[in-house]
Amino acid sequence: DGGITQSPKYLFRKEGQNVTLSCEQNLNHDAMYWYRQDPGQGLRLIYYSQIVNDFQKGDIAEGYSVSREKKESFPLTVTSAQKNPTAFYLCASSILEAIGELFFGEGSRLTVL
Amino acid sequence: GENVEQHPSTLSVQEGDSAVIKCTYSDSASNYFPWYKQELGKRPQLIIDIRSNVGEKKDQRIAVTLNKTAKHFSLHITETQPEDSAVYFCAANAADMRFGAGTRLTVKP
Repeated sequence: DGGITQSPKYLFRKEGQNVTLSCEQNLNHDAMYWYRQDPGQGLRLIYYSQIVNDFQKGDIAEGYSVSREKKESFPLTVTSAQKNPTAFYLCASSILEAIGELFFGEGSRLTVL
Repeated sequence: GENVEQHPSTLSVQEGDSAVIKCTYSDSASNYFPWYKQELGKRPQLIIDIRSNVGEKKDQRIAVTLNKTAKHFSLHITETQPEDSAVYFCAANAADMRFGAGTRLTVKP
């Protein structure tokens, strides 16, 4: 089955710890995105990547880091510098840049204890 | 970057009535405007989209209109059903995809 897979689905972290969320797609999409979803605030863009080894900051990149070493993979690290990391994180991919449908993963819910 | 505003934030209608959600965008370079539906606990899924060379698009009970001059676009749902209850997001692309804050639609039976 083609699709986009996020893991883990649920994650708990202690304050001060970094955590990495995985996002893998087998759709052969060029572009990949990370969004954060908080209640009442919609989807806010953290980072996006249009090609391998290149990525751009979105609106709320502070406290996050990404890499794009392979076309299929776009992991997101939530660092200890992110002041309020508890949220629902969605990864998405699209064919070319942002001119087509975004396909979303099922999301990862991070809770900081 | 692109800024997308969406109204209303909540909308409650009676089954069978119509629902309209409106969005505005800021970047005149945006040329693709999708609408996503997100049910509780699930991922957003595309329900309809429109490109800048088209003014209106319809798919059964759902339609989208685009006014490029005014930089606004709207989602119209006719003959609403309880299963239409969800959060709806508009989006616009320039170099990336930016979303509105969402509209929680409730359809009362």
